Amino acid sequence: KAGVTQTPRYLIKTRGQQVTLSCSPISGHRSVSWYQQTPGQGLQFLFEYFSETQRNKGNFPGRFSGRQFSNSRSEMNVSTLELGDSALYLCASSRDRGVGSPLHFGNGTRLTVT
Amino acid sequence: QKEVEQNSGPLSVPEGAIASLNCTYSDRGSQSFFWYRQYSGKSPELIMFIYSNGDKEDGRFTAQLNKASQYVSLLIRDSQPSDSATYLCAVNVNTGKLIFGQGTTLQVKP
Repeated sequence: KAGVTQTPRYLIKTRGQQVTLSCSPISGHRSVSWYQQTPGQGLQFLFEYFSETQRNKGNFPGRFSGRQFSNSRSEMNVSTLELGDSALYLCASSRDRGVGSPLHFGNGTRLTVT
Repeated sequence: QKEVEQNSGPLSVPEGAIASLNCTYSDRGSQSFFWYRQYSGKSPELIMFIYSNGDKEDGRFTAQLNKASQYVSLLIRDSQPSDSATYLCAVNVNTGKLIFGQGTTLQVKP
């Protein structure tokens, strides 16, 4: 069974640009979550999607947005990039939203903003 | 107060010893608890999860949960150098949202 696939693996962008990251969940998984990981802040929750609807949102500015498609694939968009947005962005999927349904992470997208 | 707290370490143990990793959480409504391992430059990998008070064992790993004390721990028996990594505690604060601690770095010395 294929794992969570994130593309691209690496991105270099300039301040002010926007970026779109893609995530394909494990087959059969319907919930997709996004996290930002930095050395100083650790893993910070961005948002969670289930059945094409955002179910939870973390404390990030509106520049961060996402969506989920009918096949459960998800995209995350960051507009007007800032230097502080440089981070590892991790997508994770789970079978459903039950409390016993663990997250499985992709390899991440390393975003560098210059 | 952070929602999920872990000692950042590093925790250093000799090969073959028991490593004990601890995590406290603030939300009494938390229902499930997860331990992930993250090697440097890699993504987090699920080790195990627990949602009932008591112990849950899986091979060399044992997760312990005490909801009254809002405390969850991970014991690694017969620690190996390959166990050297950062261990992340995560708590389900409401359905679909996992909050992670900062992680504890474990070093197992041969």
